[in-house]
Amino acid sequence: SYVLAQPPSVSVAPGQTATITCEGTNIGSKSVHWYQQKPGQAPVLVMYYNDDRPSGIPERFSGSNSGDAASLTITRVEAGDEADYYCQAWDTSRGHRVFGGGTKLTVL
Amino acid sequence: QVHLEESGGGVVQPGTSLTLSCAASGVTFSRPPSHWVRQAPGKGLDWVASTLYDGSNEYYADSVQGRFFISRDNSKNILYLHMNNLTGDDTALYYCAAEGEGGSFVHWGQGTLVTVSS
Repeated sequence: SYVLAQPPSVSVAPGQTATITCEGTNIGSKSVHWYQQKPGQAPVLVMYYNDDRPSGIPERFSGSNSGDAASLTITRVEAGDEADYYCQAWDTSRGHRVFGGGTKLTVL
Repeated sequence: QVHLEESGGGVVQPGTSLTLSCAASGVTFSRPPSHWVRQAPGKGLDWVASTLYDGSNEYYADSVQGRFFISRDNSKNILYLHMNNLTGDDTALYYCAAEGEGGSFVHWGQGTLVTVSS
């Protein structure tokens, strides 16, 4: 089955840039989506089609996807960005949706 | 304004069955692919099952294949997850989600908690 690997945690100071990676075999050939989940809340889509932002998501959020790694980048990080972030892709060979294990973003 | 609301969770004994419902407003379940995703306490998101546009194609995670079944009632705009032979590993908050562009899960409910315990 297709596996997506994320670092368990990323820490960054306010105002700095955070990059969260999502690794998978030839993930660059797939569309990757990213979700933000704050404690006690449902996930929220923050990036789709690798680098498209849903309405209401700040321009500070951007995405990329190439080769065996996708990434979500958050510039000028704010305290409110502290959350768990999950990547997700579609294993079309089996029709399965796959989530990465999640990355806890801590704003120092 | 899209709103998804799950219901049907509870505490059940191992080996029993349970059916979850997800009522939708602002989106028609007969149109976008719809999904169930679960999250065990303190753990990450875990895709469970999907039903595509016409309901003829369903897909299941290996961990639930043969035990869980996804269906929908288009006349009532409700998505279901029928769960059989439940085990402790199925203990989780179960979310329904409606798909958006590119296979993204654009709309989520708030989840319903299933606890499997003797």
